[in-house]
Amino acid sequence: QQQVKQSPQSLIVQKGGISIINCAYENTAFDYFPWYQQFPGKGPALLIAIRPDVSEKKEGRFTISFNKSAKQFSLHIMDSQPGDSATYFCAASMREPGAGSYQLTFGKGTKLSVIP
Amino acid sequence: EAQVTQNPRYLITVTGKKLTVTCSQNMNHEYMSWYRQDPGLGLRQIYYSMNVEVTDKGDVPEGYKVSRKEKRNFPLILESPSPNQTSLYFCASSFNVKMNTEAFFGQGTRLTVV
Repeated sequence: QQQVKQSPQSLIVQKGGISIINCAYENTAFDYFPWYQQFPGKGPALLIAIRPDVSEKKEGRFTISFNKSAKQFSLHIMDSQPGDSATYFCAASMREPGAGSYQLTFGKGTKLSVIP
Repeated sequence: EAQVTQNPRYLITVTGKKLTVTCSQNMNHEYMSWYRQDPGLGLRQIYYSMNVEVTDKGDVPEGYKVSRKEKRNFPLILESPSPNQTSLYFCASSFNVKMNTEAFFGQGTRLTVV
C-alpha cells in the first residue's frame, strides 16, 4: 500500500525554468510533510518542510504548496539550476496514536535533471 | 561535526553469511531508523527505534534484525542474507519524533549479496 504517491518519476527542465514535483497522500493523520534532496553517492538531506496548518512555505528558490482538502502537496523550484540536478523525495510523517510509534513514509522519488 | 556514520560503505557477501552494518550518530538523537533504497521503489523503512531498547518494525522488516543498546548506535543485522536484499541502505536519526524534526541520513551502504 503506497501511502505517498509522487510524480513524475523523472523530470528534465531547462536552466532558469520552473521544476514542479507533485505528491499526494491518503492518510489524513499525517502532520508533517518534508522534502528531501539526494545527490548521487550521498544520503538524502532535508530541503524544506511544511505542516498542514499553512498552505505555502518558501525558502529561497524552493516553495512547498500544500492543499489539505485535496491531500496534495508540491515542490516548486524556481530558476532551476544545473546544481539542482538530484533526486527529490517527498515524505509524510505522523505519530500513530496509542501505540506511541512513529511513521515516516517516503514517495518513490523524482530524478530531476536541469540542462544548461 | 554532527553526522550519522555508517560502515561499511560497500559490501559484497555471499548468500547465508551473517553480516552487520553499523550506524552511529553523534547528535544525541532519540530516534533512529534504517531504510533501503531500490530503483523505482524509493526509500522503504526497515526498522526504527524510538529510544534505547525500543525498536519496532517498519514496512519491510523481513530478513533483518536491529538492536539499540546504546543511544548512539543502531546496527542492522542480516542473519542469513539473500540476493533480494541487495540494495542501498541508509541509516537515519532524528532528535525527537514528537516534534517531527529533521531526519539526518548517513552516506549509505551499498550491499550486494551473491
